[in-house]
Amino acid sequence: DTEVTQTPKHLVMGMTNKKSLKCEQHMGHRAMYWYKQKAKKPPELMFVYSYEKLSINESVPSRFSPECPNSSLLNLHLHALQPEDSALYLCASSQDPAGVRTGELFFGEGSRLTVL
Amino acid sequence: DAKTTQPTSMDCAEGRAANLPCNHSTISGNEYVYWYRQIHSQGPQYIIHGLKNNETNEMASLIITEDRKSSTLILPHATLRDTAVYYCIVRVRGNYQLIWGAGTKLIIKP
Repeated sequence: DTEVTQTPKHLVMGMTNKKSLKCEQHMGHRAMYWYKQKAKKPPELMFVYSYEKLSINESVPSRFSPECPNSSLLNLHLHALQPEDSALYLCASSQDPAGVRTGELFFGEGSRLTVL
Repeated sequence: DAKTTQPTSMDCAEGRAANLPCNHSTISGNEYVYWYRQIHSQGPQYIIHGLKNNETNEMASLIITEDRKSSTLILPHATLRDTAVYYCIVRVRGNYQLIWGAGTKLIIKP
């Protein structure tokens, strides 16, 4: 199994809603990532979890709250989002948390979020 | 961190080799060059990476110039399914951060 599975594929929410994005991998990878991608732009790193601990937060607003319940799961909790937060949210995982060896990331297909 | 520069778009005929250039003139000795591609509505897919030697795998070849200031990704026999945005990326060894280029939209034409 070389897949990273993200749910839901599409999400529409109001600015007062609370929702969550979910990500799952069963490759035994010990690093998991959240990226945000706006149209026609490359992905931007948001968070990195290494061995289930948050190791990088790229100055992301607190309305985005990541959670790593176990080594296979990664959540992104959303609250009080703004319309400009509408984007494709990508989850990724890698075998080597320090990126010393290959650094190859496996990406999911993303969750397309629309904030009204 | 080093930056990468790529052409905005390229066309290639089906069955021909697609050669995608990338400039990374400020790359330092501990930075790798990675290539990913993103097919429409999908997540990025790893293609290949290298440090200073040329590399080949089942998907592509990566040619890095001797001074490491530029590289070329080669898809030897392009198919319509290779139509995608191709990202040239620099990554410091041991660092999570990928420095993404703006990407080249490659269109394979029948």
